[in-house]
Amino acid sequence: AQTVTQSQPEMSVQEAETVTLSCTYDTSESDYYLFWYKQPPSRQMILVIRQEAYKQQNATENRFSVNFQKAAKSFSLKISDSQLGDAAMYFCAYRSGAARQLTFGSGTQLTVLP
Amino acid sequence: GAVVSQHPSRVICKSGTSVKIECRSLDFQATTMFWYRQFPKQSLMLMATSNEGSKATYEQGVEKDKFLINHASLTLSTLTVTSAHPEDSSFYICSAWELYNEQFFGPGTRLTVL
Repeated sequence: AQTVTQSQPEMSVQEAETVTLSCTYDTSESDYYLFWYKQPPSRQMILVIRQEAYKQQNATENRFSVNFQKAAKSFSLKISDSQLGDAAMYFCAYRSGAARQLTFGSGTQLTVLP
Repeated sequence: GAVVSQHPSRVICKSGTSVKIECRSLDFQATTMFWYRQFPKQSLMLMATSNEGSKATYEQGVEKDKFLINHASLTLSTLTVTSAHPEDSSFYICSAWELYNEQFFGPGTRLTVL
């Protein structure tokens, strides 16, 4: 079974600074997708970024980018120019290419300090 | 973007009663919907996967007789918590699969059983 590990339960960053959230996963599959989701205090899950395993290029979405290290099975999220609205719980997630279910990590609570 | 709604957003009920939660995909058809349970400051735990017109597939440890799931149309899935007890109090989240854009999540339902 696939597992997703987020080793940082809590992180904090100063407004306008950069922060990196870590995620590792374990799988024997070659076809899979990785995601970062944001859950703000409203608890609405929001997709931040998606990475296809077959793509070597790291995904980016504005201030959000990932460092996808396939051999190391590492998938970290970098948030640049942090804003107060980035404060949330962030979940790393895995989906097998042959399935629709997501496997979530335990989450990282990000605090943005003014 | 695709929108998923949940109703109600909050519900309080007495122990022993049943509660129904609705999940609707508003602007797309969802052949597959998912139900999650989330405890405070924890990750999402997949309870079951429902496919339109067929029986739901429950995750190990989830009581199918307590958590009844019906996916009668391509835009509606319901979760009924039968004979609810205080330990069933939790935050319940649904998501709907949209073919090209993965899972879209509903805003969640907070269930409190007195």
